[in-house]
This record gives sequence, C-alpha cells and structure tokens, in this order.
Amino acid sequence: QSALTQPASVSGSPGQSITISCTGTSSDVGSYNFVSWYQQVPGKAPKLLIYEVSKRPSGVSNRFSGSKSGNTASLTISGLQAEDEADYYCCSYALRITVVFGGGTKLTV
Amino acid sequence: EVQLVESGGGLVQPGGSLRLSCAASGFSFSSYWMYWVRQVPGKGLVWVSRMNGDGSTTGYADSVKGRFTISRDNAKKTLYLQMNSLRAEDTAVYFCARGGLFFYMDVWGKGTTVTVSS
Repeated sequence: QSALTQPASVSGSPGQSITISCTGTSSDVGSYNFVSWYQQVPGKAPKLLIYEVSKRPSGVSNRFSGSKSGNTASLTISGLQAEDEADYYCCSYALRITVVFGGGTKLTV
Repeated sequence: EVQLVESGGGLVQPGGSLRLSCAASGFSFSSYWMYWVRQVPGKGLVWVSRMNGDGSTTGYADSVKGRFTISRDNAKKTLYLQMNSLRAEDTAVYFCARGGLFFYMDVWGKGTTVTVSS
C-alpha cells in the first residue's frame, strides 16, 4: 500500500505563509473528503490540525488551513512562527486500505 | 482530561509475541473508534489497525494482517494490540489514538516502543 506523496521538506521565514502538498490518487484523496493533517514535534505524539479536508478542531490556530483539488490536498500555514517548526503528515481514507498516511514533511522556520 | 496511555512495549525476539495496552480516560470510551499507528524512529506514521466502539468491526494494514489482533474491553476502558510472529520490521513506536467520525485521529497517546531483535 503506497503512502501519499508529500515534499520531504519545506522552509519559510517568520511571518510568511507556506503550503504543504499531499498527492494521492482517485482511490483516496481524489474521491473522499476524509483528509486530515497532523503536526508532530520529534519525540512527541502527533497532534490533529485539520480533519475532513478543511475543518479545524477547537484550539487549533486559524493560521492553519486545509484544502483539496483533485487528487491533491494542501495544508497552508500563514504567519509562520518558530513554534511551527515540526513534521507534518497528511492522512486519507483509502479504498481497500482504510487509512493511509503521507511520508511526512519537515518544516523549517 | 482526555488521555490515552500506552504500555506493554519492550524487547522481543523475532517470532515472539507481545501485547500492547492503551488505557483511556476522560471520555466515553465505548463510543469511539480506536486506532493503532506506528512509527519507526526517524520515519513516517503508518496506520496499523482500528476497531469500532462495540468491537464488532476491525481493520488491519496488509503488513500486519494475520499476525496482529486488535481488541478492546469497554468495561476497563482499554484497547489492546496482540502482536504475534513479530519481525524486525515491526520495530517501532506504537501510538494509540481516538478516532473521529470519519477516519481521523483526534487524541493520541505518547506511544510505547517495541523492539524486535535477537
């Protein structure tokens, strides 16, 4: 079962905006609005940032937003802060697999 | 406070078995799907298994199907992962997570480390 495709790394300066892409197929991202995004500081547990493509759990900053177009989902972080430096993972429901994660993207601020 | 605490990890020889536990508190455990996700140190997250609230529906990644069994005891508010025929490639940190309505995980434990080595 193939993981969703994310860039290995992205970087940005404080105050800037960055976007992390997550590319799947018509069997996962392209056909279902069940994309979620997680932030993980190394050595810590993942934290849910976005679910169902663009919904934000209570307590998550509105600087984090999600979207989807075709087979690609995106996470945008606006007003970058030093504390945003972490690994970011997308996740999607996938036909016949159930749940598939992306390979992760390391964000450097 | 909503909390998940994993336990049961350790060092086991190839071919051996281990049972992981995940103790839940602060929410109505029986109402939620629960997940196991693993992560090789320095690598990405990988979904392992999930189970619905009453234990009637399960799912497994192909890599563990037939070797791992997920179960739960709602009276004890505890999720389990029985791991048999362990392989070196099962070495990872195993996270327990609470499932949201549609295939996402909204609460995570801190993880427990499983090392399969002779």
